[in-house]
Order: sequence, then structure tokens, then C-alpha cells
Amino acid sequence: KAGVTQTPRYLIKTRGQQVTLSCSPISGHRSVSWYQQTPGQGLQFLFEYFSETQRNKGNFPGRFSGRQFSNSRSEMNVSTLELGDSALYLCASSLEGYLGGEAFFGQGTRLTVV
Amino acid sequence: TQLLEQSPQFLSIQEGENLTVYCNSSSVFSSLQWYRQEPGEGPVLLVTVVTGGEVKKLKRLTFQFGDARKDSSLHITAAQTGDTGLYLCAGVYQTGANNLFFGTGTRLTVIP
Repeated sequence: KAGVTQTPRYLIKTRGQQVTLSCSPISGHRSVSWYQQTPGQGLQFLFEYFSETQRNKGNFPGRFSGRQFSNSRSEMNVSTLELGDSALYLCASSLEGYLGGEAFFGQGTRLTVV
Repeated sequence: TQLLEQSPQFLSIQEGENLTVYCNSSSVFSSLQWYRQEPGEGPVLLVTVVTGGEVKKLKRLTFQFGDARKDSSLHITAAQTGDTGLYLCAGVYQTGANNLFFGTGTRLTVIP
């Protein structure tokens, strides 16, 4: 079966712009989580969506937002981009969420803010 | 803030050697997972442990969950160049939000 698909793979944006990233989970998976990965901070949890509702949220400013559609596809939006937002953004899907369940990650979107 | 520390941060060894990576927290996990991530890819799940004291083997990899469910270790026997990558532990804490917290990571390089 198809894995987790993230688009685009690479993105270059200018400070102050906004960006939308997309994640298509594995068919049948209802939970989608987003992570930011940087060399200094490692993998940090952004938020999790389950059945179109945000179920968990990490410690990121309100410029980071997301949503999930009825087909479980998810988008993540970052407004007013800052240089520090440059990172690999990873999406993970699982059947029900992280209660010991297996999470499958996409290849990520590499965002560079200049 | 819950902290999940991994050690060592970097490890460079010769092919054929053994190694152990540690993952420690001051809080109790309800479950813990180990992932390996290669450059340009997302993390790939290796194993999930849920019971204190549990030991799981995956070919040359042995995973152990501490009795108190606050720590875990990954032991690799006879490392191969294909084991090179970033190893990440990730846990769901017993109390708090049901999301995965990732460790700081161990970057392993196996030299031929």
C-alpha cells in the first residue's frame, strides 16, 4: 500500500511570506501528526489531527496552524515566516494515534526561509 | 518540559564492532519506540516496547525497556555499514498528552 506522501519535497520562501505544506496519510489512517526537525532542536511535535479535529498541540507560536480534511489529508500552514522556521517538516500517520501505535513518516518537506 | 536524552550523541565505529545507545527520561513512559532515519528520509520505526523489562530482538538489534519504564537501550551486534544513520527513541508519557516525544538522537557512523 502507498506510504505517507508529503508535498512539496523542497520549498524556498522569503521572510514574511506564508507557506502551506500537504500530507496524505496511509489509506485508512485517521491520525496525522506534524513535526519540525532542526539540527539544534531535533524532532519537535507541532500538532496532531484526528478525524478533522486538532487533538494535541505542541509549544509552537500561533503562526503555525493546521487542518485535516474528511479524507484524512492534512495541511500545515506557517504565516509570517522567520529565518528560524527553516527546517525539515515531517508528517506521520497512524491508525488511531500515539497510544503505543505505529507511526509512519513521510519523507518530509525541506523548507528554507531566506 | 519532559526531556528524553539519548547518549551518545555521536558514535563512529568500525564495521564488526558492537555498540549500545541509551535513552533516558525522568518520567514514566506508557510505550517507547525506536526509529532510524537516513539522510533525506523520514524516520522508520524499528520497534515498540510497552512492558517494563521487555527485551525485543530484531536480527542484530536488541532493544530493552527499563523495569521502571523510564529508560531504554538499543544494542547492535557486529555493526554493518548499512546500520549508519540517526537513531531516535520516542516515547508516549504515561501522564500528559498522547503524542510522541522524541529523543535528542544518536548519529551512528559505521566505517568499513
